[in-house]
Amino acid sequence: KAGVTQTPRYLIKTRGQQVTLSCSPISGHRSVSWYQQTPGQGLQFLFEYFSETQRNKGNFPGRFSGRQFSNSRSEMNVSTLELGDSALYLCASSRDTSYQETQYFGPGTRLLVL
Amino acid sequence: DAKTTQPTSMDCAEGRAANLPCNHSTISGNEYVYWYRQIHSQGPQYIIHGLKNNETNEMASLIITEDRKSSTLILPHATLRDTAVYYCISQYALNFGKGTSLLVTP
Repeated sequence: KAGVTQTPRYLIKTRGQQVTLSCSPISGHRSVSWYQQTPGQGLQFLFEYFSETQRNKGNFPGRFSGRQFSNSRSEMNVSTLELGDSALYLCASSRDTSYQETQYFGPGTRLLVL
Repeated sequence: DAKTTQPTSMDCAEGRAANLPCNHSTISGNEYVYWYRQIHSQGPQYIIHGLKNNETNEMASLIITEDRKSSTLILPHATLRDTAVYYCISQYALNFGKGTSLLVTP
């Protein structure tokens, strides 16, 4: 079974631009969560989608948004990029037959904002 | 969501057991404890989870105290490839925090 895939793997943007990251979950998984990882803050939760609906949201500004499609694939968007948005963005999928099951992570997208 | 507390870093000699502690004193009665690890620059990998009883799989053992306020992840024979950041997280928590950086030395 193929794992969680994320595209692109690496991205360089400049301040003020916007970016869209993509995540394809494991086949059959309905829940997709997004995380931001920086050296100083660790692994922080952005949001979670289940059946195309945002079910949980972390403490991030409205510049961070996401969506999930009917095939469970998910995208996250960051508008008006800031230098502090440079981070590893990880997505994780789970079957979610019961809430908060084991999560399977993708390799991440490393974003550098210049 | 229950907050977990882990030491920032630990060392372990190759071949010895690595015992990684986690405090989760506010965990609710039906909330599982999950452990993940992240090898440098990769996505976190699931290791094991448990509720009340001790658990063992091919990767590790999980010992949960009777009062469920803490747990210990045991890597019975640590190898250099076990060098990673280990995260303990309660089932309904959203943030993983910073975990424990385990360094296995030759």
